[in-house]
Amino acid sequence: KAGVTQTPRYLIKTRGQQVTLSCSPISGHRSVSWYQQTPGQGLQFLFEYFSETQRNKGNFPGRFSGRQFSNSRSEMNVSTLELGDSALYLCASAGTGYSPLHFGNGTRLTVT
Amino acid sequence: GQQVMQIPQYQHVQEGEDFTTYCNSSTTLSNIQWYKQRPGGHPVFLIQLVKSGEVKKQKRLTFQFGEAKKNSSLHITATQTTDVGTYFCAGLTGTASKLTFGTGTRLQVTL
Repeated sequence: KAGVTQTPRYLIKTRGQQVTLSCSPISGHRSVSWYQQTPGQGLQFLFEYFSETQRNKGNFPGRFSGRQFSNSRSEMNVSTLELGDSALYLCASAGTGYSPLHFGNGTRLTVT
Repeated sequence: GQQVMQIPQYQHVQEGEDFTTYCNSSTTLSNIQWYKQRPGGHPVFLIQLVKSGEVKKQKRLTFQFGEAKKNSSLHITATQTTDVGTYFCAGLTGTASKLTFGTGTRLQVTL
């Protein structure tokens, strides 16, 4: 069974630009969660989608948004990038929201 | 909001020594999960605890869930260099259906 796939692996963007990250969950998994990981703040929850509906949301500004498609694939968008958005963005899938999470390798975003 | 703290933040041990990380939640949890993240890698699920007072073992790793379901611990006996990484606990609250990760404990093991 293929694992969680995140693309791209690395991104370099300039302040003010926007970015879209993609996540393909494990086949059959309907829950996709997104986390931001930085050295100082650990793993911060962004949002969780289940069957195309946002089920939970973390405490991030509205510049961070996401969606999930009917095939469970998910995208995360960050608009008007700021230097502080530089981080590793991790996507994780689960069969249901209570199942253990299976993480992808992440997308490392650098904002200059 | 729910907070999950872990102590210590960092521990450096010599190979063969034991190691313990503690996880404390501000609210009662329906279950707790533990993950390990190797340097440069992504978090990998280790175990899930559901019952009050539950203890589970995986080879040299022992996981405990507190009686009040607000704290948990991970103990590694006789550490090895392969144990290097950051260990995260993650607590699930039943109503929120949201997994909140702890602050993590970074373990360094030297020969």
